[in-house]
Amino acid sequence: EDQVTQSPEALRLQEGESSSLNCSYTVSGLRGLFWYRQDPGKGPEFLFTLYSAGEEKEKERLKATLTKKESFLHITAPKPEDSATYLCAVPGIYNKLIFGAGTRLAVHP
Amino acid sequence: EAGVTQFPSHSVIEKGQTVTLRCDPISGHDNLYWYRRVMGKEIKFLLHFVKESKQDESGMPNNRFLAERTGGTYSTLKVQPAELEDSGVYFCASSQKLFTEAFFGQGTRLTVV
Repeated sequence: EDQVTQSPEALRLQEGESSSLNCSYTVSGLRGLFWYRQDPGKGPEFLFTLYSAGEEKEKERLKATLTKKESFLHITAPKPEDSATYLCAVPGIYNKLIFGAGTRLAVHP
Repeated sequence: EAGVTQFPSHSVIEKGQTVTLRCDPISGHDNLYWYRRVMGKEIKFLLHFVKESKQDESGMPNNRFLAERTGGTYSTLKVQPAELEDSGVYFCASSQKLFTEAFFGQGTRLTVV
């Protein structure tokens, strides 16, 4: 069965303290892996798509990487405005997204 | 470019009543999806339209849920009659092609009391 597991569930960082979020996946035939950011009361906001092992994407303080079994979202020198829930998802059959439970990130000044 | 728009943003209804949620996808996106997050759980797939046709409705909980997509444009999701366990946040998303990024609306928070 297709599955996505994210860790940790919650992460508290000081401003400037770099860290990584993990997304492990089990899917029959990877057709992409998506990272989203979700703020309270809003819908998921698209961040990155990764399609093949070894691929990396960057946006401001975020960098996403992909291996054959997992993806990492690296946050470099985070700021309080990076606080959000970060979601990872993979497409299953017919492109329905299978989401992980997310990592709640809190960055304190 | 306008994003995915959902109406209403909040709805509180009594058990047994009917509610209709609406989604306007990004113009030109043939693929439209409905997802739901219930309290404390991850976001779960409900169904997928390609233009006006239902491609996959394997995630629909039961026959109290009815989704339509008129002319391949906007979509509605009707819950009739609503039950307490239907409470949650309903998200709509659209994408241009399969296996490419989907863009989400802000969600409709449904509370059944």
